[in-house]
Amino acid sequence: GQNIDQPTEMTATEGAIVQINCTYQTSGFNGLFWYQQHAGEAPTFLSYNVLDGLEEKGRFSSFLSRSKGYSYLLLKELQMKDSASYLCATRDSNYQLIWGAGTKLIIKP
Amino acid sequence: DGGITQSPKYLFRKEGQNVTLSCEQNLNHDAMYWYRQDPGQGLRLIYYSQIVNDFQKGDIAEGYSVSREKKESFPLTVTSAQKNPTAFYLCASSIVRDTFYTEAFFGQGTRLTVV
Repeated sequence: GQNIDQPTEMTATEGAIVQINCTYQTSGFNGLFWYQQHAGEAPTFLSYNVLDGLEEKGRFSSFLSRSKGYSYLLLKELQMKDSASYLCATRDSNYQLIWGAGTKLIIKP
Repeated sequence: DGGITQSPKYLFRKEGQNVTLSCEQNLNHDAMYWYRQDPGQGLRLIYYSQIVNDFQKGDIAEGYSVSREKKESFPLTVTSAQKNPTAFYLCASSIVRDTFYTEAFFGQGTRLTVV
């Protein structure tokens, strides 16, 4: 079956670094996405990985290992506005997105 | 500005009533999607459409219906057959060209409550 796992909730301190992990099992693989979603709002696109390795975009980086079915999102220099849910999604062989349940990140001062 | 617009933001429905959620995009995207989001769960696909006048069922299509008469519009009807319709509904769109798919862009969502 198809499955995406990510932690339900994480807590971190303002100014620190946090890593949110995502493991997946899908029928075929055509890329992995990370989205940010503030409470009651729409998800917004953060990053896309289709090849192994690290993609860096400002304070956010995303890593992919296809052989391990594993990705992580790294957030540096955390700010209070980073408090949100982070959604991991993979695109399967039919190019449909399969979504994880999301990781709620709580930032404390 | 280009974007994807859902309306209304909040919607209340009486049991036994059908209700239609609007989704319009001016991004010239081929594909449009409807997702349902419940607390503690990932986004679940209700219906999707890759071209006008064609749409496909997603994982939880029962109790829902859609139409795609125009490229810009993909309304979702929640029928009385949907047993537990209270949820946050998200519409999304993306470019589809051969096997090239972009990321999905989302509307701001409609929160539907059955009263």
